[in-house]
Amino acid sequence: AQRVTQPEKLLSVFKGAPVELKCNYSYSGSPELFWYVQYSRQRLQLLLRHISRESIKGFTADLNKGETSFHLKKPFAQEEDSAMYYCALSGRGTSYGKLTFGQGTILTVHP
Amino acid sequence: DGGITQSPKYLFRKEGQNVTLSCEQNLNHDAMYWYRQDPGQGLRLIYYSQIVNDFQKGDIAEGYSVSREKKESFPLTVTSAQKNPTAFYLCASSLTAIGAQYFGPGTRLLVL
Repeated sequence: AQRVTQPEKLLSVFKGAPVELKCNYSYSGSPELFWYVQYSRQRLQLLLRHISRESIKGFTADLNKGETSFHLKKPFAQEEDSAMYYCALSGRGTSYGKLTFGQGTILTVHP
Repeated sequence: DGGITQSPKYLFRKEGQNVTLSCEQNLNHDAMYWYRQDPGQGLRLIYYSQIVNDFQKGDIAEGYSVSREKKESFPLTVTSAQKNPTAFYLCASSLTAIGAQYFGPGTRLLVL
């Protein structure tokens, strides 16, 4: 079975502070991991995926297979980063085609 | 926006009634998905389809049914067997079964 855990339902930081949204996963094979974001009144959209190894809107995420984590980080948070963030995992084998989401973290960046 | 559309934006269901949510995509994606979003529970997979005329149950398929007669369309029917249908329903599609998923704007279903 595949599982994604986001331990923080709510996360508040001040503008300019570093932010880290935690994501841990459980999966027996090699997963593909994603971060999705949902801004207020907008549809859920892909933020980044681990295989791309890219930085989107200043966010990065590194897959740590030893710790089974895929934390999302940004060195200097901006007010426009306030949103709901979901970590998601796509497996293979019997889980082929299934995307499992974490419960989400609401990030609030205060001015 | 565009690419994936869902209708209606709001839908009201009376007790014992079946209702159908529409999902259409013009991205030429093979795979399509239906999720249910409840506060504090994230997104849960209802049904998914990797190819036309084929679909599989997700984690919470009971009380729901789908069809995939056309590549671009994946309607979801919420049947009277679904006892707690009030939720926000999201449709998504991906180029392949393991690709990144792109989401529609959602349909909010309310029970009268």
